[in-house]
Amino acid sequence: QVQLQESGPGLVKPSETLSLTCTVSGGSISNYYWNWIRQPPGKGLECIGYIYYSGSTKYNPSLKSRVTISVDTSKNQFSLKLSSVTAADTAVYYCARSSRTAMGSYDAWGQGTLVTVSS
Amino acid sequence: SSELTQDPAVSVALGQTVRITCQGDNLRSYYASWYQQKPGQAPVLVFFDKNNRPSGIPDRFSGSSSRDTASLTIAGAQAEDEADYYCSSRDSSDNLWVFGGGTKLTVL
Repeated sequence: QVQLQESGPGLVKPSETLSLTCTVSGGSISNYYWNWIRQPPGKGLECIGYIYYSGSTKYNPSLKSRVTISVDTSKNQFSLKLSSVTAADTAVYYCARSSRTAMGSYDAWGQGTLVTVSS
Repeated sequence: SSELTQDPAVSVALGQTVRITCQGDNLRSYYASWYQQKPGQAPVLVFFDKNNRPSGIPDRFSGSSSRDTASLTIAGAQAEDEADYYCSSRDSSDNLWVFGGGTKLTVL
């Protein structure tokens, strides 16, 4: 059974870049879409963007200018970079998997990692 | 971008049937996915597309759709079904997916 695990700093200073990595184990990163989703404390879910294993990406227009998602198939990992962060970017960040036939259905999730933006 | 509207809170008596709804114009063109999220945990996919339930999800969870509204029905709600439920669907103007605001389900 595939497992996803987010890793990265839990505290980022305002104006700096948030960097997270998701490690996929128990399955191949090939032939799937890999997604980043976030949830501010006490609020709902927001799609940040996704990457296909081949490298094609799509970002939320509201974040597009600040987001980069990349994939490293040799390590079975994909990553998120969000630049120029503010307090509004404080959230639990999840990585999740979806398939080609159900791109918007996330059938495997990481446990989530809380990232706080504060000086 | 498209918006999906959910009732903030719904309650159901133990063992009764409850329907959680999600409304949005893009639901006229695309199916919804439904997620269950318990406190401190990641969401879990419970139903998606026209008639798909992931393995391990009890068959008391089912989905339906009519015009601009998608519904998740829990037949015979159990105490462990108490959670937040989110719908998601494709944004009609972009190749991205959007979530509803979530519905907090209380099992009485």
